[in-house]
Amino acid sequence: NAGVTQTPKFRILKIGQSMTLQCAQDMNHNYMYWYRQDPGMGLKLIYYSVGAGITDKGEVPNGYNVSRSTTEDFPLRLELAAPSQTSVYFCASSYSWRDLSYEQYFGPGTRLTVT
Amino acid sequence: AQTVTQSQPEMSVQEAETVTLSCTYDTSESDYYLFWYKQPPSRQMILVIRQEAYKQQNATENRFSVNFQKAAKSFSLKISDSQLGDAAMYFCAPGEAGTASKLTFGTGTRLQVTL
Repeated sequence: NAGVTQTPKFRILKIGQSMTLQCAQDMNHNYMYWYRQDPGMGLKLIYYSVGAGITDKGEVPNGYNVSRSTTEDFPLRLELAAPSQTSVYFCASSYSWRDLSYEQYFGPGTRLTVT
Repeated sequence: AQTVTQSQPEMSVQEAETVTLSCTYDTSESDYYLFWYKQPPSRQMILVIRQEAYKQQNATENRFSVNFQKAAKSFSLKISDSQLGDAAMYFCAPGEAGTASKLTFGTGTRLQVTL
């Protein structure tokens, strides 16, 4: 199992450009998440998905969009990049069944700089 | 909504000694989980230990154990026989049970391990 994979590892964007951060998992997890981690801070939830075709906003969704057409993939789209979106982005997945929740598995992260 | 406080930005421990990292949280959820994640310089988020809030018994995982005080909303992590490889950022993260299983992260404690 590769677990959770993210591409690219690093990216530099100019202000106003757009890009998609890719995330895939091969553990057949139903839940997937996108977080951002600013320097010296904990992770903040951007968007999450409880299954294919179902997404919802987290704590800091402005400036981002997501889609989930398959169980495996959960791309994050940045439109009109701004310097405030400079951060490290983590994708995670977990399995949940009824009221049982299990730990989230994280990808290696994408370091994004917007200049 | 959940909030998390990690009041120790940095801690230091000598190799083979014991250290305790503190975490307090607030939640309106009646059923939830609590996690400690470790983030070494590689940036990878690694699960250290998990605790179900409905369980009175404190979780233990090898050299790692927790002191979970539900009424006080406290969830500290004890690391015994500290090793150089334990040096990392440690994040406390309560999570909602059931739907979405969203995590809220604290700001982290940086642990140094000295010889």
